[in-house]
Amino acid sequence: QKEVEQNSGPLSVPEGAIASLNCTYSDRGSQSFFWYRQYSGKSPELIMFIYSNGDKEDGRFTAQLNKASQYVSLLIRDSQPSDSATYLCAVNVGYNKLIFGAGTRLAVHP
Amino acid sequence: DADVTQTPRNRITKTGKRIMLECSQTKGHDRMYWYRQDPGLGLQLIYYSFDVKDINKGEISDGYSVSRQAQAKFSLSLESAIPNQTALYFCATSAGRGLEQYFGPGTRLTVT
Repeated sequence: QKEVEQNSGPLSVPEGAIASLNCTYSDRGSQSFFWYRQYSGKSPELIMFIYSNGDKEDGRFTAQLNKASQYVSLLIRDSQPSDSATYLCAVNVGYNKLIFGAGTRLAVHP
Repeated sequence: DADVTQTPRNRITKTGKRIMLECSQTKGHDRMYWYRQDPGLGLQLIYYSFDVKDINKGEISDGYSVSRQAQAKFSLSLESAIPNQTALYFCATSAGRGLEQYFGPGTRLTVT
């Protein structure tokens, strides 16, 4: 059974701090990885994707991938209250199928 | 206009009823997916389709069926709804293999 694991949280950070969200996956053959943000009652919204080991930066967001450790993370710099949401990690397991983690709830407090 | 639309957005139905959820997209993507989401759980894949003639079961297809009427339309049916099918249902699309998926706004289904 291919799995994606995330800490459910809530992860509570003060406004302006760095939020660090982590995800581990079981399928060593996975090649592409995605982070989605989901506000309560809304649909998942793609934030970042990463295919290669290392870091990928987009504005305040940085995705980090370590395939040897089967670990992918998302850093949010200068966290804002509007970043409060659930963050879903998704891993491509072949044939364009994604396996999603249950998500980490992030709460950014003023 | 939204690229991926779902109808209805909310639906309450009774046990044993047949219900259809519809998804349409204007993104021109060939791949479409149906997921369900239960509180505190991740998205679970129900069915997926890579083109009109290619439909595949996902992790939790029992009790569901689908129809790909055109490249832009993908419908999900519950032949005889049961209360544990109460969930949030999402349609998603993708342009190709290994690429990101884009989600519709969701349908909140309640089976009483």
